Amino acid sequence: NAGVMQNPRHLVRRRGQEARLRCSPMKGHSHVYWYRQLPEEGLKFMVYLQKENIIDESGMPKERFSAEFPKEGPSILRIQQVVRGDSAAYFCASSPPRGGLDEQFFGPGTRLTVL
Amino acid sequence: AQSVAQPEDQVNVAEGNPLTVKCTYSVSGNPYLFWYVQYPNRGLQFLLKYITGDNLVKGSYGFEAEFNKSQTSFHLKKPSALVSDSALYFCAVRPTTDSWGKLQFGAGTQVVVTP
Repeated sequence: NAGVMQNPRHLVRRRGQEARLRCSPMKGHSHVYWYRQLPEEGLKFMVYLQKENIIDESGMPKERFSAEFPKEGPSILRIQQVVRGDSAAYFCASSPPRGGLDEQFFGPGTRLTVL
Repeated sequence: AQSVAQPEDQVNVAEGNPLTVKCTYSVSGNPYLFWYVQYPNRGLQFLLKYITGDNLVKGSYGFEAEFNKSQTSFHLKKPSALVSDSALYFCAVRPTTDSWGKLQFGAGTQVVVTP
C-alpha cells in the first residue's frame, strides 16, 4: 500500500507565477489535509477536504490560495501570484473515513521556493 | 482557544540514556493527542496517540507517552535513546470540540542523541 504521494517534491517559481501542488492520499483514505511549514516553525493547518467538499478552510489565507479534492484524481493546492513569503514546505496528509479518531499519514512534502 | 506548547527547542541526550520530550496543551473539552517525528527533508511519521483509556500509551520504535489530565501534559519518553532517534519531534492536539480534521502542532523539539 503506497503512502501519501506528493508532487513535485521541489518547486521553484518566480514572483507572480502560479504554483500547483498535488497530493494523492493513501488508498482507502477519503480525508485530505494540507499544512504549511515555514522555516524554523511547526506545521500550520491550512485546509481539510473530503471528496468534492471543503470541510474546514480556516487556515487558508483569504487571497491567492485555493484547494480542491475532486471526485477523480489528486487533491490540488493552488497558489496564485506567488510571493516570497509563500516559500515553505507544504505537507499533505490523509486519513481513513473515521477522520479525527485516526492518525493522519503525511506525505514527503513539496518545498516551494519563490525567487 | 486551544494551544500546544513544547517548552524545549532542543534536547540533548547521550546514547543509552532516557529521553523525555515535553508537551503541554490547552484545549476545550477532552483532547486527542499525537506525537510525530520528522527526519530531515522528510514528512512526518506517526509515533503514537492518546484518544481515551489507559494514560500510558505505547508507540513505535520503543517510544511511549503519558497523558496527565491534571497537568495537561503528554510527554514523550524512551527508556534508552539511540543515535538514530535524533530528529525533530512534534506534539499535536485535535480538540474534540473542533472540526474533525484540524491538528494543531507544537513548534517542535529537536532531539540530539550523541554516541
